Amino acid sequence: DSGVTQTPKHLITATGQRVTLRCSPRSGDLSVYWYQQSLDQGLQFLIQYYNGEERAKGNILERFSAQQFPDLHSELNLSSLELGDSALYFCASSSTGTDTQYFGPGTRLTVL
Amino acid sequence: GIQVEQSPPDLILQEGANSTLRCNFSDSVNNLQWFHQNPWGQLINLFYIPSGTKQNGRLSATTVATERYSLLYISSSQTTDSGVYFCAVERNTGKLIFGQGTTLQVKP
Repeated sequence: DSGVTQTPKHLITATGQRVTLRCSPRSGDLSVYWYQQSLDQGLQFLIQYYNGEERAKGNILERFSAQQFPDLHSELNLSSLELGDSALYFCASSSTGTDTQYFGPGTRLTVL
Repeated sequence: GIQVEQSPPDLILQEGANSTLRCNFSDSVNNLQWFHQNPWGQLINLFYIPSGTKQNGRLSATTVATERYSLLYISSSQTTDSGVYFCAVERNTGKLIFGQGTTLQVKP
């Protein structure tokens, strides 16, 4: 158990819908990261937050957005969902933002 | 950006055998991690090893930062070692760049 929690574990929805994925970092970690794992793209970095502020951005689509709240949990919002958004979404956390990242169990999103 | 290449892409072993997985990266990095993704999809931290050698039970890893490669050694493999092994690197940006992984199957 990494100490990073993600909910829900599985999500099945339809094209055009909007979903929210939630992540709670390890106790004491200030930085949260989101990654997407798909069959064709592999594991890709989406976005990083550090203590509530966006710190780094990867190839995150405009339909996707994220935020980190004062209690340090984070949410990833995916809207206007397409079939190609089906993937495993991981959240990770680290204490300083450039050290070991610990990954949560992931949320498996299926868009039908 | 930094390129990460892992080899071999696939590996089949008999239980009890040893193996070496390799990760090459194209630029200097300040973070390198090895992960094991189990059949249930969980990504498990194995090592944080930007340089040097570390050991944890039957697993060990060595990173030669000056030559831009890292090796993961698995000794006396067990069926529970099956899964995908990822190497990921980071260079002062916070974002981990993952290789494509090595899929390991350990047969009883």
